[in-house]
Amino acid sequence: EVQLLESGGGLVQPGGSLRLSCVASGFTFSTYAMSWVRQAPGKGLEWVSVITGSGGTTYYADSVKGRFTITRDNSKNTLYLQMNSLRGDDTAVYYCAKDRLPPIRYNFDSWGQGTLVTVSS
Amino acid sequence: QSVLTQPPSVSAAPGQKVTISCSGSGSNIGSHYVSWYQQLPGTAPKLLIYEDNKRPSGIPDRFSGSKSGSSATLGITGLQTGDEADYYCGTWDNSLSAGGMFGTGTKVTVL
Repeated sequence: EVQLLESGGGLVQPGGSLRLSCVASGFTFSTYAMSWVRQAPGKGLEWVSVITGSGGTTYYADSVKGRFTITRDNSKNTLYLQMNSLRGDDTAVYYCAKDRLPPIRYNFDSWGQGTLVTVSS
Repeated sequence: QSVLTQPPSVSAAPGQKVTISCSGSGSNIGSHYVSWYQQLPGTAPKLLIYEDNKRPSGIPDRFSGSKSGSSATLGITGLQTGDEADYYCGTWDNSLSAGGMFGTGTKVTVL
């Protein structure tokens, strides 16, 4: 059974940093692209970033480009999102999501339970 | 990045059919497969449809997807109270800032 478990969320001040983690199990992690998707309170889904299975290719939403960095450690089956220069509009539940097939298909067949990031002073 | 436009809400009685549209452009829906997700209150999204019209195992055939040009449609037949949820389309966009995108979301209400 595929499992994705996010952690690292919390309360951070504007301008601060946070690193999210997503530990994966139940599949060959290094084969699949992984994405971060966020959802602000009461709002819709927003795609944030994707990284290929090898980690060699990444893409970012314009709203986070230059501030967020997606990485992965395939030896630890773990996906990361380093978030810097955080702003109030980054407040959201952050989900990690597994792509259905390589390389990047943008079909998320498994999702974590989400971790809440709150940016506030 | 562009926007995928969905109606804010649709509703129908149990047993009836609803359709949800997702309107994009040539750089996204017109060039890439569309997927659809169901998000029940307080839960993570769930994949309903991938590659425009394919259902993952376990998804009932009451759910269907189609695409024409730069628009896609999700259909739900035999509406059940358990279908009351938010629904999102998603696809890739290869405009200047390539990346993923989701639709604005549609709330389905079972009357």
